[in-house]
Amino acid sequence: EVLLAESGGGLVQPGGSLRLSCAASGFTFSNFEMNWVRQAPGKGLEWLSYISRSGGTIYYADSVKGRFSISRDNAKNSLFLQMNSLGAEDTAVYYCARIGLVHTFDVWGQGTMVTVSS
Amino acid sequence: DIQMTQSPSTLSASVGDRVTITCRASQSISSWLAWYQQKPGKAPKLLIYKTFTLESGVPSRFSGSGSGTEFTLTISSLQPDDFATYYCQQYNTYSRTFGQGTKVEIK
Repeated sequence: EVLLAESGGGLVQPGGSLRLSCAASGFTFSNFEMNWVRQAPGKGLEWLSYISRSGGTIYYADSVKGRFSISRDNAKNSLFLQMNSLGAEDTAVYYCARIGLVHTFDVWGQGTMVTVSS
Repeated sequence: DIQMTQSPSTLSASVGDRVTITCRASQSISSWLAWYQQKPGKAPKLLIYKTFTLESGVPSRFSGSGSGTEFTLTISSLQPDDFATYYCQQYNTYSRTFGQGTKVEIK
């Protein structure tokens, strides 16, 4: 079964950092481009970041550029999101999502909640 | 960045109704448009990609149309399982922006 499973969420103070992980299983992780998407409570979906198969091409949304860093470890079938300088506006459920053969997000994880609060 | 605007934001309908949701892009995205369904507490689920192609396992009562800047998602006969929030998404550019969502509620 094709699965993505996020972890690493939790409560963090404003200005703090957090590293999210996304474990992939059931498919050849290195063959697929990956993304992070978030959803603030009661709000819509916001694309955050993209990483190519090799990790050589990366893009960010303006809202997180300079604060968040996406990376991957193909040997460990894992995707990461390093989040720094967190603010209340970063409180959200964070999803990892695979770009499938249909060129858009065909597989999503279950999400991990990040709460930024003092 | 390309902006995606959905309408309406909320839609009240009954089982059996025909439902249409509109999505407009701020510039042409050709046919690079997807629709997702999201239920409370769950991850989004891909319904339609490249404007009109149904993802495997999606019921045929769902259909998509459009091109360029204006797109629609139609549910031909609303079923109880269809009450959810629907999002459009453009993937013409690396910045894969979503619409703000349309919540389909029970009338």
